[in-house]
Amino acid sequence: DAGVIQSPRHEVTEMGQEVTLRCKPISGHNSLFWYRQTMMRGLELLIYFNNNVPIDDSGMPEDRFSAKMPNASFSTLKIQPSEPRDSAVYFCASTLGGSNTGELFFGEGSRLTVL
Amino acid sequence: SQKIEQNSEALNIQEGKTATLTCNYTNYSPAYLQWYRQDPGRGPVFLLLIRENEKEKRKERLKVTFDTTLKQSLFHITASQPADSATYLCALRDGAGNMLTFGGGTRLMVKP
Repeated sequence: DAGVIQSPRHEVTEMGQEVTLRCKPISGHNSLFWYRQTMMRGLELLIYFNNNVPIDDSGMPEDRFSAKMPNASFSTLKIQPSEPRDSAVYFCASTLGGSNTGELFFGEGSRLTVL
Repeated sequence: SQKIEQNSEALNIQEGKTATLTCNYTNYSPAYLQWYRQDPGRGPVFLLLIRENEKEKRKERLKVTFDTTLKQSLFHITASQPADSATYLCALRDGAGNMLTFGGGTRLMVKP
């Protein structure tokens, strides 16, 4: 299995621009999570989906952030407009709900820099 | 408020020694606790899970303990090697919810 695939790996953009991050979860996994990691705040959960339905988006910082999961094999996280404080590494993770360990499988992350 | 605390200072140890990392939490009723390893520029990788009714779990050179009275988990790496150098994250799944919340991680440096 190829694992969780995220793109782009690196994104540098200017303040005010729209940013779209993409994620392909592991085939067969029915839960998908978006996390953000910074030195100051660590790994924070933004939103998670179960069977393509958003379950909890309480971690989404503000209305500039939105996430979609149109099907079981694809999710996007969009920031519009982007701000310098959005600079972070964004991770997507997936898991099989009801698994024995609840192990999350993470992608390699998308490093976002907003100038 | 809910907190998961790991020592933010790096832990430096000599190769061959046992590394012990701590995870403390407040205002959680965890169904289980997990430990992950994260290398620079990579995503976290799952290592071990321990449930609320388990005291100890082992996997090769790794050992995790879970004390729900002290609200603490200890993560041990015996016979540490330079290749064990990484950041180690603990994560809790709260019994009331379905989300996994992570601590800030502790960086381990094993010197040859």
